[in-house]
Amino acid sequence: NAGVTQTPKFQVLKTGQSMTLQCAQDMNHEYMSWYRQDPGMGLRLIHYSVGAGITDQGEVPNGYNVSRSTTEDFPLRLLSAAPSQTSVYFCASSYSVGYTEAFFGQGTRLTVV
Amino acid sequence: AQSVTQLDSHVSVSEGTPVLLRCNYSSSYSPSLFWYVQHPNKGLQLLLKYTSAATLVKGINGFEAEFKKSETSFHLTKPSAHMSDAAEYFCVVSPRDGGYQKVTFGTGTKLQVIP
Repeated sequence: NAGVTQTPKFQVLKTGQSMTLQCAQDMNHEYMSWYRQDPGMGLRLIHYSVGAGITDQGEVPNGYNVSRSTTEDFPLRLLSAAPSQTSVYFCASSYSVGYTEAFFGQGTRLTVV
Repeated sequence: AQSVTQLDSHVSVSEGTPVLLRCNYSSSYSPSLFWYVQHPNKGLQLLLKYTSAATLVKGINGFEAEFKKSETSFHLTKPSAHMSDAAEYFCVVSPRDGGYQKVTFGTGTKLQVIP
């Protein structure tokens, strides 16, 4: 049982490039989300999904895109990377419609130069 | 509306001494409250949670927290710090019947444990 798996762990992008951060969970959780973590700001919600085919925006969605074609996978796409997107990104999943315990991946450290 | 304030960005304790990490919240809903721990270069892990049962909540690794509605606080404590407790801790608030979009994370408290 791997839990929540994120790839890659580290990535350097040039401004304007696009890429996809991968997230997969094997716990059959309906609810998945993406956060970014910046120093002194805690975690901020980018996008979330309450089930396959259903996604919605969080607090900081601009510049990011998501889709949820399966229960297991929830990729995050950066459309045109900007230095302001330099951050650590976390994917999380949860089994409940109300927020209860979330299971986090180990994070992706992204640098945009 | 809701918010969460972690009163200290850094806390330093000696090994074997008590740990106190402070968290105050405000919420117009009945809140659920959580503490997560993040070790360096790792994801967040749930330490403990308060939903609606006992106000004194025990978590993993000897941590506990007390929900005090009158003080709108949910401070995290541990009687005796271990070196392995050095990490960043996040207090989180959510409406009890709310979803992901209503979760609010605190800005984190870094705990340093001095040998």
